[in-house]
This record gives sequence, structure tokens and C-alpha cells, in this order.
Amino acid sequence: ILNVEQSPQSLHVQEGDSTNFTCSFPSSNFYALHWYRWETAKSPEALFVMTLNGDEKKKGRISATLNTKEGYSYLYIKGSQPEDSATYLCASLRGGTSYGKLTFGQGTILTVHP
Amino acid sequence: DAGVTQSPTHLIKTRGQQVTLRCSPISGHKSVSWYQQVLGQGPQFIFQYYEKEERGRGNFPDRFSARQFPNYSSELNVNALLLGDSALYLCASSGVRTGELFFGEGSRLTVL
Repeated sequence: ILNVEQSPQSLHVQEGDSTNFTCSFPSSNFYALHWYRWETAKSPEALFVMTLNGDEKKKGRISATLNTKEGYSYLYIKGSQPEDSATYLCASLRGGTSYGKLTFGQGTILTVHP
Repeated sequence: DAGVTQSPTHLIKTRGQQVTLRCSPISGHKSVSWYQQVLGQGPQFIFQYYEKEERGRGNFPDRFSARQFPNYSSELNVNALLLGDSALYLCASSGVRTGELFFGEGSRLTVL
């Protein structure tokens, strides 16, 4: 994999459902993997920055896992709420590049219906 | 504390014109990065500046240039605008290597 790819592109769930998204990234020369939440008319907001293989991070109902050897990360949302509706972006940072140079996926658009 | 601020928020230009976008980072952050986001795609890296020096450049033509000032604010300039330059331009600041980027709300450029 040369680019960062996210799936699915969009997702519609009912309030209370749990959901998960996938981010695939180049495993070679890995440095860090970022997750951002981007609500409409706002700025992207960082959820997690992950660097270690096997790392798991949690913030409230949202958690993420990281597999740097195979180049994927999962983002989980437990008990989705309408306020979780947003675009979720992942981005990889490769070693040897400037640390502000993230390569983003195209995002997963989550809509949570009441 | 103030977050990353960008100006202008919206602007309309015609083909061939030039545009300057401005960004003020979070106080204490010395790194500023610029991204272009086209509808349906993720943000694409344009430049990173740290301590007034260019530290990274994305795959953009020479019509795109940037600079960082002693107070760490930054400007992105785009010359000879094309229709394809229409996009949301995001600025992000960061204080720590591998740390998260803090984004502004962006400047939406429309080229007619």
C-alpha cells in the first residue's frame, strides 16, 4: 500500500449502534498514525496519535488500535450518538519526512440517526 | 487560549489572479503546515515551516509559495490561479514532534 486508504467511505447507523472504520497505511518506514474528527463547519480535531505496534487508545466511547507490521488501524465507536456524526480522517506520518507532513486518507463520513 | 486562526475565511478570485492566505498558530507553536482539501478527498500536504525555514514541500507547482514570520505566523501565496485551485486551505500548528496537529477552520477559495 502506497497511499492511506479508509473504508467505508460513508456509514449510516442508528443511535446506540456500535461501529468501526478501517485505515490502511504504508507499513514501511512507519512513524505515527493520527486520527482526526472533522465536524461540518468546524476544524479537524485530533482524536489519537499512535506510534507503537499493538497500541490501543481510548477517549470516552471512542477507541483505536494500531498494527504497524501489517499497516492498519481500526477506530471503534461504542453506542453511537447523533453528535458523533462527522468525517473521521486517518493520516500517516512516515520516518524521514518533516513531522508536519501527514498523508491523509479520504475519510469516512459517519451519520448517526436518532 | 486562542486556537489556530486563518484569514480570510472565504474569498473569490478569477483565473490568473494571485491570493494570499494567512495563519496564526497557537501561542508557543513554532511549526506551521498548510494543507489543501478538495471536496471528497482528504487534506493534501502543501508546506511545513519550522522556525521560519521550509521543512517540507508537497507535490504542488511553483505557483504555490509560503513563508513564516518571526512571530511564527505564516502566509500561503498562490499565483496565476487556476480553476483547480478552488479548495479549502487548512493551516495547522504543532508544538511537539509526532504530536497532533491543531487546525484552523480554513480559508475557502473559489476561483472563477
